[in-house]
Formats: sequence, structure tokens, C-alpha cells
Amino acid sequence: GENVEQHPSTLSVQEGDSAVIKCTYSDSASNYFPWYKQELGKRPQLIIDIRSNVGEKKDQRIAVTLNKTAKHFSLHITETQPEDSAVYFCAAMKRGADGLTFGKGTHLIIQP
Amino acid sequence: DGGITQSPKYLFRKEGQNVTLSCEQNLNHDAMYWYRQDPGQGLRLIYYSQIVNDFQKGDIAEGYSVSREKKESFPLTVTSAQKNPTAFYLCASSMGWDRVYGYTFGSGTRLTVV
Repeated sequence: GENVEQHPSTLSVQEGDSAVIKCTYSDSASNYFPWYKQELGKRPQLIIDIRSNVGEKKDQRIAVTLNKTAKHFSLHITETQPEDSAVYFCAAMKRGADGLTFGKGTHLIIQP
Repeated sequence: DGGITQSPKYLFRKEGQNVTLSCEQNLNHDAMYWYRQDPGQGLRLIYYSQIVNDFQKGDIAEGYSVSREKKESFPLTVTSAQKNPTAFYLCASSMGWDRVYGYTFGSGTRLTVV
């Protein structure tokens, strides 16, 4: 089955700096890669996703890049703000799979 | 809650007691999932269902049971066989295994053993 590795487990950045979270996946047939943000005690919420026919996708301060050859994808957050502090999960999926395979999460801390 | 509702928000279980967590969705999604989340940990899959009257065990199904009698509903029972049930439980739904889309999560149930 699919295996998703996520790094780092904790990331601390200064407010206004950029943050990058990286994930690798094992199944080359995976073709859908969402990112979820989970604030403390709340449910995970989809913030951005990318499909394998696209190399990069942006939504305001958030971007995701995908390298199919290397089987890795990354979340980029620019101009970080205090409200970006949360746990971020990456995931991967292919058509016909039993569901998403999640990474173990990255705790992003924005230092004032 | 974005079309998927979990109840109750908080639940307390006594030793040896079975409790049932509710999950209802009005998104017309075929697939539904239950995850367990421990403090500072990731999401671990308990059970999932791709279609009514069918469900499959996930990675940590022992001590849990589910049913899927209606498309909209996927209740999770935490049985007395689950020795360490204190955790945050998340239900999710998606369009289905043959359509590759992300999940919509419920707001979660926090279960505590007293």
C-alpha cells in the first residue's frame, strides 16, 4: 500500500518568514495530493490540493509543488502570520484506493 | 459543520461500558471513515465504508465496531474491549473510491474514560 512520509515534525519560523513542509510518497500511481490544516481541538480542513497532471498550484500565500519523478510534494507558506500556527497534514491517494494515506503531521509554530 | 455532523462533542465513558459516536452527512457522499487522534499524533484509520451495508477494518479496528445501514450515517461503537479509548475521534466522508477527491471532516468527538 501507499506510504507517506512527512518532514519536519515540528517547524518554528519567525512571523513574516516562509515555511516549507515536505512529503514523499511510495506509490507512483498516486495522483491526488491534498494538504489539511488542523488547529488545536478542531477538525482538519482542506487548504490546498494538487493533482498529478499539475506541477504547482497557488492560492494567495499558500502553494504546493509536486515532483512526480522524485515522488515528493511540498507545501509553501509565504509571509507567515500567527494564524498559520497549526498542525499540517499531507496525504496521497490514487483512483480505486481505499482512501487517503496521511503523513504524520507537522506542527508549525509562528514566532512573533 | 460543512455537511457532516458528529455528536456528541464530548463523551465520557465508564469502565466496561459501550458508547456510540454518531456521524451524519448530507453531502451525498458514498464513502465514510472513522479516525482516531491521540494528543500530538496523526490520524489513524479505524474503519471505513465505501458503500451502504459494507465496511472494512482500518489499521486499529480492535475494540471498535461500525454499521452502515444508511448512506448518510456511519456510527462508531467503542466497546469495552477497547482498553484505552480516551482520544479525539474524527469522522470524514468523500465522494468514493472511484472519484479521487479529498475528505470533509466532522468537528470531532472527544471521548474520555472516567
